[in-house]
Amino acid sequence: GAGVSQSPRYKVAKRGQDVALRCDPISGHVSLFWYQQALGQGPEFLTYFQNEAQLDKSGLPSDRFFAERPEGSVSTLKIQRTQQEDSAVYLCASSSAQGALGNQPQHFGDGTRLSIL
Amino acid sequence: DAKTTQPNSMESNEEEPVHLPCNHSTISGTDYIHWYRQLPSQGPEYVIHGLTSNVNNRMASLAIAEDRKSSTLILHRATLRDAAVYYCILRGSGGYQKVTFGTGTKLQVIP
Repeated sequence: GAGVSQSPRYKVAKRGQDVALRCDPISGHVSLFWYQQALGQGPEFLTYFQNEAQLDKSGLPSDRFFAERPEGSVSTLKIQRTQQEDSAVYLCASSSAQGALGNQPQHFGDGTRLSIL
Repeated sequence: DAKTTQPNSMESNEEEPVHLPCNHSTISGTDYIHWYRQLPSQGPEYVIHGLTSNVNNRMASLAIAEDRKSSTLILHRATLRDAAVYYCILRGSGGYQKVTFGTGTKLQVIP
């Protein structure tokens, strides 16, 4: 498809398990973002990639969270030793703008809803 | 990060215009004003953006105050499909800046 694709759409894991969430951005988009959205809240920034370079990871809540984009296209967000507070929707967005310049919109996927039991 | 302030919720009757306000008193000269909306169980959807001049597209209009400290998203005829959370955010044009979403305005459309 032409939009941002995220998989899986839903993920249930037991506390302590590792999970991996995938994002396929729009083809050719340079910038890629990950957000975490708790119920009833706006998206919270996690990390930003420009091509394969992770330029900002200041929003990652702990060292259990790790993101990569090795070839500058598909990205994976990995959460190790999951905790109940990790339960949220994880959103991926891409943009054609290098440097994430403000004159270009972000295109979001529909997210992965993660539930930690 | 420059921040925005929006009302938590608004109501509108179907087929009437809706004006969604946003305050951004600390906006810098290079910040674009973006609006997104989020329907239930979906990711945010881009609506419109602007810098200084008012903007129109097929979805909505964006009216920007002369001092740029506030803006208004205008839906000309609300439909039930416009019921969503609307986010107003600022995005710099001078290089990478982290994007900050607030809690947005939940728009309820009454049939």
